[in-house]
Amino acid sequence: SQQGEEDPQALSIQEGENATMNCSYKTSINNLQWYRQNSGRGLVHLILIRSNEREKHSGRLRVTLDTSKKSSSLLITASRAADTASYFCATDRADSWGKLQFGAGTQVVVTP
Amino acid sequence: DVKVTQSSRYLVKRTGEKVFLECVQDMDHENMFWYRQDPGLGLRLIYFSYDVKMKEKGDIPEGYSVSREKKERFSLILESASTNQTSMYLCASSFNRGHSPLHFGNGTRLTVT
Repeated sequence: SQQGEEDPQALSIQEGENATMNCSYKTSINNLQWYRQNSGRGLVHLILIRSNEREKHSGRLRVTLDTSKKSSSLLITASRAADTASYFCATDRADSWGKLQFGAGTQVVVTP
Repeated sequence: DVKVTQSSRYLVKRTGEKVFLECVQDMDHENMFWYRQDPGLGLRLIYFSYDVKMKEKGDIPEGYSVSREKKERFSLILESASTNQTSMYLCASSFNRGHSPLHFGNGTRLTVT
């Protein structure tokens, strides 16, 4: 069964707007990771947040983690057309160290 | 940068054939993984390996086997391909088991007819 579930499934925004997507999971984790996938390509790692961290930034990306609610969010600020992609959260579960489980992803379309 | 190379971008095979998917990483990573990706289901782990000649089942190992004879190479084998194994297959590697991101290849889109 899937550990992480993203919400929404799809998101359509205009350039310059912010995009927010959420991930919920079920069991205790060591860390949570976000990945991007451009159409027909492999996944690219964006950011890793450990279970004892609450917020992390990388460029235009901001990730939060709330372990009490078992949820995370990814915010992309000032979106660009090049941000059009699918975004996946992946959890590194505490009971299966190093073995990531992925959600179904959020498809983001940024229109110029 | 880490490079993970999958030998084929597209493959078309017939039902019952034995299929080999090859993956090579060039950064001396300990861990290697095979996932399959299907619409609406995300990525599901088939097998993974934490060391040479070592393998562990993931969430959906049925119908698959793997081989890791050298640290840099991890092969996925479909013993007798079936139409329900039509999918995108993604290989990944990571440095170690602790807080390491995965580095993915570009995937092999396998069609079984």
